[in-house]
Amino acid sequence: SQKIEQNSEALNIQEGKTATLTCNYTNYSPAYLQWYRQDPGRGPVFLLLIRENEKEKRKERLKVTFDTTLKQSLFHITASQPADSATYLCALDSLTGTASKLTFGTGTRLQVTL
Amino acid sequence: EAGVTQFPSHSVIEKGQTVTLRCDPISGHDNLYWYRRVMGKEIKFLLHFVKESKQDESGMPNNRFLAERTGGTYSTLKVQPAELEDSGVYFCASSQVGGPREQYFGPGTRLTVT
Repeated sequence: SQKIEQNSEALNIQEGKTATLTCNYTNYSPAYLQWYRQDPGRGPVFLLLIRENEKEKRKERLKVTFDTTLKQSLFHITASQPADSATYLCALDSLTGTASKLTFGTGTRLQVTL
Repeated sequence: EAGVTQFPSHSVIEKGQTVTLRCDPISGHDNLYWYRRVMGKEIKFLLHFVKESKQDESGMPNNRFLAERTGGTYSTLKVQPAELEDSGVYFCASSQVGGPREQYFGPGTRLTVT
């Protein structure tokens, strides 16, 4: 069966450092992979999407890599700030026509401290 | 632009009762998805509508769950009769057909079955 693992339940880092979150998957070949942010009591908010033929994608302080051989995606937040504290979810995106069907990992809770 | 809204935000019912959750997607979004997160687990796909048609209901747990989207606008998810294991947070998401693949999530409805 499909399995998605995010490296740890929680990650604590100091402000200004780079946070690196890992998403590993098995028994799956996604065409796309998406990353979302979720704050307590709220729904997930889309951050980045990367396609299977892309190695890297950037948006401001965020960077995502996608290695289909290793079946792994890495999510980096550079110059982290306390406001980046949240749970980050990776989601495998399977093709169903033009719509996406997301399979989520359990998430990594990031805490950025001063 | 208004986001995805869900009602109620929280519902507490007794085992055996019926509950109906409502989702209003972003205007113009014909894709509508339902997801669920039970305690300690990942967010899981339930079903997908395109307008009023069910495209994929492979994630629906059993026949106690009934989703509708009459008229292709808002959607309801009815649980009848509710069981203890139905407790969790139910999320609705929407996206444009043929548009970007990211999904816009509502804040969720927290369902507690006692």
